[in-house]
Amino acid sequence: QVQLTESGPGLVHPSETLSLTCTVSGFSLTGYSVYWVRQPSGKGLEWMGRMRYNGDTSYNSALKSRLSISRDTSKNQVFLKMNSLQTDDTGTYYCTRDLYRDSYAHVRWGQGVMVTVSS
Amino acid sequence: DVVLTQTLVAQPVRLGDQASISCRSSQSLVHSDGHTYLEWYLQKPGQSPQLLIYEVSNRFSGVPDRFSGSGSGSDFTLKISRVEPEDLGVYYCFEGTHGTFGGGTKLELK
Repeated sequence: QVQLTESGPGLVHPSETLSLTCTVSGFSLTGYSVYWVRQPSGKGLEWMGRMRYNGDTSYNSALKSRLSISRDTSKNQVFLKMNSLQTDDTGTYYCTRDLYRDSYAHVRWGQGVMVTVSS
Repeated sequence: DVVLTQTLVAQPVRLGDQASISCRSSQSLVHSDGHTYLEWYLQKPGQSPQLLIYEVSNRFSGVPDRFSGSGSGSDFTLKISRVEPEDLGVYYCFEGTHGTFGGGTKLELK
């Protein structure tokens, strides 16, 4: 059964770095791509970036200077790090998996992790 | 950058009605490989989004056949033939190669 579970701190202070982990099961990170998508509270969805099955990464151009996505295939984990957090980075962060290689369709979503940026 | 515009922020409907949700792109979404990676998602209150339609018109497994997607180039539509209570929520279009979501259209009861 395919599952993705996000974890990380619920509260981050302004200007600090957010570190999130997506732990997956039921599939291999070398077979499918994993994405990060976020949703500011009460707003729409924003695509953040991708860890491709072959280890390549791609990022939303608006976040690229602050964002890094990496993985540990032995632990079935994908990591998100974003620095210089501000209050408008508050929201729910999801990791997702694609339908098939390079399909771009987000077929499985985690339950999301709520991140609040506040002093 | 590609911009996806969902003109209606909210669409009031009655149960049993047909609903159409529009998504327009600032440029053609036909990829160099010939595919168009335009998807539709539904986010119900308090839930993660769920995939309904991929590559314009392919219904994902388990999605009722009252949902259909159509369109080409830069103009796309999601249709729900007979709205049921579980269809209420916010619908997003998404283009995969550019990583762009539309702003969302909330399907709500009239």
